[in-house]
Amino acid sequence: GAGVSQSPSNKVTEKGKDVELRCDPISGHTALYWYRQSLGQGLEFLIYFQGNSAPDKSGLPSDRFSAERTGGSVSTLTIQRTQQEDSAVYLCASSSRTADNSPLHFGNGTRLTVT
Amino acid sequence: AQTVTQSQPEMSVQEAETVTLSCTYDTSENNYYLFWYKQPPSRQMILVIRQEAYKQQNATENRFSVNFQKAAKSFSLKISDSQLGDTAMYFCAFMKRGNNDMRFGAGTRLTVKP
Repeated sequence: GAGVSQSPSNKVTEKGKDVELRCDPISGHTALYWYRQSLGQGLEFLIYFQGNSAPDKSGLPSDRFSAERTGGSVSTLTIQRTQQEDSAVYLCASSSRTADNSPLHFGNGTRLTVT
Repeated sequence: AQTVTQSQPEMSVQEAETVTLSCTYDTSENNYYLFWYKQPPSRQMILVIRQEAYKQQNATENRFSVNFQKAAKSFSLKISDSQLGDTAMYFCAFMKRGNNDMRFGAGTRLTVKP
């Protein structure tokens, strides 16, 4: 079946503008994660959604970052008033979470460049 | 907090040879999971292998195996008979049992040379 889909694949924006990044998880996956991958760095956890539970927002770096997940499926990560340090690849992953160690299935990411 | 350290930013290996990627982690937890993910140039992360901390036996998936040393908090990945398609970034990851937060290392860029 279809994997995790992210759009756009690349986004260039001017400093100060808002951006929205979209993630379509694998159908039926209840868990959805957002990560940020900066050049030369590992993956930084941003936020986690699990079913109808309140999301775990502990990784969001500032109040300029927010995310929502509508109907338990599609998720949107919004970055307001973008800064140059926000430039990174933003990866979305979903998981069935049938067990603690259920693997994460990742999308191809959105490369965000803030000029 | 858990941290994951990959001390080898880049490595290379000749096709058909064996290579070992290092990973260490720091945690006070006893129940957790460890993972190795591969990220080829296409950017899509793919699970390579996973290990439950309560299992003493090292996980193996075809040409991929791990050396899990719980006391030393070490979790290295061995790739045997390296293939050109193994060229990728490899990330080690840690997840506490029952927790949502998967922590990743900075990655090791592996190049398999023909």
